[in-house]
Amino acid sequence: DGGITQSPKYLFRKEGQNVTLSCEQNLNHDAMYWYRQDPGQGLRLIYYSQIVNDFQKGDIAEGYSVSREKKESFPLTVTSAQKNPTAFYLCASAGGGGELFFGEGSRLTVL
Amino acid sequence: QQQVKQSPQSLIVQKGGISIINCAYENTAFDYFPWYQQFPGKGPALLIAIRPDVSEKKEGRFTISFNKSAKQFSLHIMDSQPGDSATYFCAASIRTGRRALTFGSGTRLQVQP
Repeated sequence: DGGITQSPKYLFRKEGQNVTLSCEQNLNHDAMYWYRQDPGQGLRLIYYSQIVNDFQKGDIAEGYSVSREKKESFPLTVTSAQKNPTAFYLCASAGGGGELFFGEGSRLTVL
Repeated sequence: QQQVKQSPQSLIVQKGGISIINCAYENTAFDYFPWYQQFPGKGPALLIAIRPDVSEKKEGRFTISFNKSAKQFSLHIMDSQPGDSATYFCAASIRTGRRALTFGSGTRLQVQP
């Protein structure tokens, strides 16, 4: 099956810990994205990458970091600098037509 | 700065009725306007999309109406069904540059049987 795989689905973090969310795609898409979803605020762009070994900050990048060493993978690290990390995180990829394909999401809760 | 404004925040419609969700955008460089449907605990999925060179696009029970001069677009769901109960997001992007979607805040639709 072609698609986006995010893991873990649920994650709990203690204050001060860094956590990494995995995102893998087998759609052969060049572009990948991370969004954060909070109730009543829609989806906000954290980071995006249009090609391997290159990535750009989105609208709310503070407290997050990413890497893009392989075309298929775009992991997101939520660092201890992120003041309010509890949220639903969505990874997406896009081909040339502009349509974004989303994964099932990862729900992060800070204890 | 919220570049895409969506309303209403929630909507209750009777089965068989018409659901209408509206969005307005500010950036005139946007040239791609999709609607996404999201069920609880799942990622959004593309429902229908339109480009600014047409004023309307219909796919089955779903229709996008687009008004370029007013910078507004809307989703109409005809013959709404309980299975349509979900959260709907409008979005916009520019096909060049970063191509990332800017999303509206979402509309929670409930279709009552």
